[in-house]
Amino acid sequence: QKEVEQNSGPLSVPEGAIASLNCTYSDRGSQSFFWYRQYSGKSPELIMSIYSNGDKEDGRFTAQLNKASQYVSLLIRDSQPSDSATYLCAVNTGRNTPLVFGKGTRLSVIA
Amino acid sequence: DAGVIQSPRHEVTEMGQEVTLRCKPISGHNSLFWYRQTMMRGLELLIYFNNNVPIDDSGMPEDRFSAKMPNASFSTLKIQPSEPRDSAVYFCASSERFLDNEQFFGPGTRLTVL
Repeated sequence: QKEVEQNSGPLSVPEGAIASLNCTYSDRGSQSFFWYRQYSGKSPELIMSIYSNGDKEDGRFTAQLNKASQYVSLLIRDSQPSDSATYLCAVNTGRNTPLVFGKGTRLSVIA
Repeated sequence: DAGVIQSPRHEVTEMGQEVTLRCKPISGHNSLFWYRQTMMRGLELLIYFNNNVPIDDSGMPEDRFSAKMPNASFSTLKIQPSEPRDSAVYFCASSERFLDNEQFFGPGTRLTVL
């Protein structure tokens, strides 16, 4: 199984700060990348997707992809306590198989 | 739309008992996925279906686990006999097309095997 690695955390940031969540993947042929957010006791939901190198911004969220380094990140600007959740990185290897999920990083935004 | 529906939401059973988890995907979605989530192992894909046909069950941990999808609106995951190490949250997810990147997850079933 292809690996997707994330630091499990918890990552604690003060309210208003930038939270930086990182993910590395092992399959160099991977084509598309996703961030799912999972609140405690809830199910994962898709919040961001990125397909090409560089940055993609959506409101307070920015996804960054570097295929050469096999690295994808999620930045959350002006972090709010409501952003406290586990963030799952998911990778589509493009080999006609479903998404491969990382174990997730738990983010805690302290008011 | 009601979203993906799972039942029961919580299940507590004793070791050796049979457990059946149920899932109704979003209407019109062609692919269905069963996952298991634990703190130690994260989100694990157990099996997935396309157009009611099982495509890959290599994630099913043991023969004690089985899954069926008799029609487009219903799937079951069965564990027989259950063991304490099966305790986890089991999610069902569906997607509109096969291998779509956006999967819609159900609320999950929290299984505790004593």
